[in-house]
Amino acid sequence: DQQVKQNSPSLSVQEGRISILNCDYTNSMFDYFLWYKKYPAEGPTFLISISSIKDKNEDGRFTVFLNKSAKHLSLHIVPSQPGDSAVYFCAASGNRDDKIIFGKGTRLHILP
Amino acid sequence: ETGVTQSPTHLIKTRGQQVTLRCSSQSGHNTVSWYQQALGQGPQFIFQYYREEENGRGNFPPRFSGLQFPNYSSELNVNALELDDSALYLCASSPRVMNTEAFFGQGTRLTVV
Repeated sequence: DQQVKQNSPSLSVQEGRISILNCDYTNSMFDYFLWYKKYPAEGPTFLISISSIKDKNEDGRFTVFLNKSAKHLSLHIVPSQPGDSAVYFCAASGNRDDKIIFGKGTRLHILP
Repeated sequence: ETGVTQSPTHLIKTRGQQVTLRCSSQSGHNTVSWYQQALGQGPQFIFQYYREEENGRGNFPPRFSGLQFPNYSSELNVNALELDDSALYLCASSPRVMNTEAFFGQGTRLTVV
């Protein structure tokens, strides 16, 4: 029972263009959503988050959009840079929750 | 500010053996969570410790157990290792229970043969 779904295992984007990573969730009790980035041989690194009371949060080149009615969120990276090549995990947690639920990840390749 | 550190980085064990993995939390963080990441999967929550008490547990059998110490460092113990326990084990620390911004260590790669 996958509560957080990342349906694209991989994505290739030209350097300088926009990267859009998508994520769907099934549990309407989730109220906090996070994106993590992971390089090989390293632990996941927190990237950006959004509370369920918002529909957009921006931090530099990274913007996360939340559509609660569709139970969908997306991460936009613009412009994409070579260092953005990594695995991106979408994750969610509930209020007072002890755990973060992760998707399976999307591997982003930034092409020169 | 010291980040989350885990030891060892790699480990090979034989089926049936026991293993202990260690985690030092980030300075000022009193909550530690452990996750298992199998190949091709996202991290899965094992359990969380807050102020030395288990605060929540995922769908893992009792042979997965843990400890948190007064300095908030933590151990994950796995008894009677099975081949399917082969995975990357991640420790995450956060300044409070709600995991809004958990910081992860680099992980311990466990291989069971």
